[in-house]
Amino acid sequence: KAGVTQTPRYLIKTRGQQVTLSCSPISGHRSVSWYQQTPGQGLQFLFEYFSETQRNKGNFPGRFSGRQFSNSRSEMNVSTLELGDSALYLCASSLGHSGNTIYFGEGSWLTVV
Amino acid sequence: DAKTTQPTSMDCAEGRAANLPCNHSTISGNEYVYWYRQIHSQGPQYIIHGLKNNETNEMASLIITEDRKSSTLILPHATLRDTAVYYCIVRVRNGGSQGNLIFGKGTKLSVKP
Repeated sequence: KAGVTQTPRYLIKTRGQQVTLSCSPISGHRSVSWYQQTPGQGLQFLFEYFSETQRNKGNFPGRFSGRQFSNSRSEMNVSTLELGDSALYLCASSLGHSGNTIYFGEGSWLTVV
Repeated sequence: DAKTTQPTSMDCAEGRAANLPCNHSTISGNEYVYWYRQIHSQGPQYIIHGLKNNETNEMASLIITEDRKSSTLILPHATLRDTAVYYCIVRVRNGGSQGNLIFGKGTKLSVKP
């Protein structure tokens, strides 16, 4: 059974640009959540989608957005990139019900220059 | 904020048991203890979780004290590949939402030959 797949694995963007990251959850999983990891702030929750609806949201500015498609695949977008957005972005999936184990992908490394 | 306290770092000799402690003195009755680990530059890997009984799987054992205020993750025969940051997380298991994970700084385990 394939795990959580994230693309691209590495990318470099310029300040002011926007970026879209993609995530394919484990087959059968309906919940997808996104996390940001930086050396200074550690792992922080961005948002969670379930059945194409945002169900939870962390404390991030509106430049960070996401969506989920009918096949449960998800994308997150960051607009007007800032240097501080350089981070490892992690996608995680689960069946989506209370207490289901959450499994992570390998992440997308974003560098903003 | 994370509801757990873990030592910043620990060392373990290869082949010996690694015992990683975690304090969660404010844990509620409906909160489970989850353990994840993150090997450098990879996504967090689920290890094990438990409520109040001791749990064991192919990766590790989880010992939770009777008052549930602390727990210990045990890797029975540590190998060099177990070198990673280990995160102890308490997570609500009831309710409609899957709940997001709140990561602390974790314990950096170094397994030495």
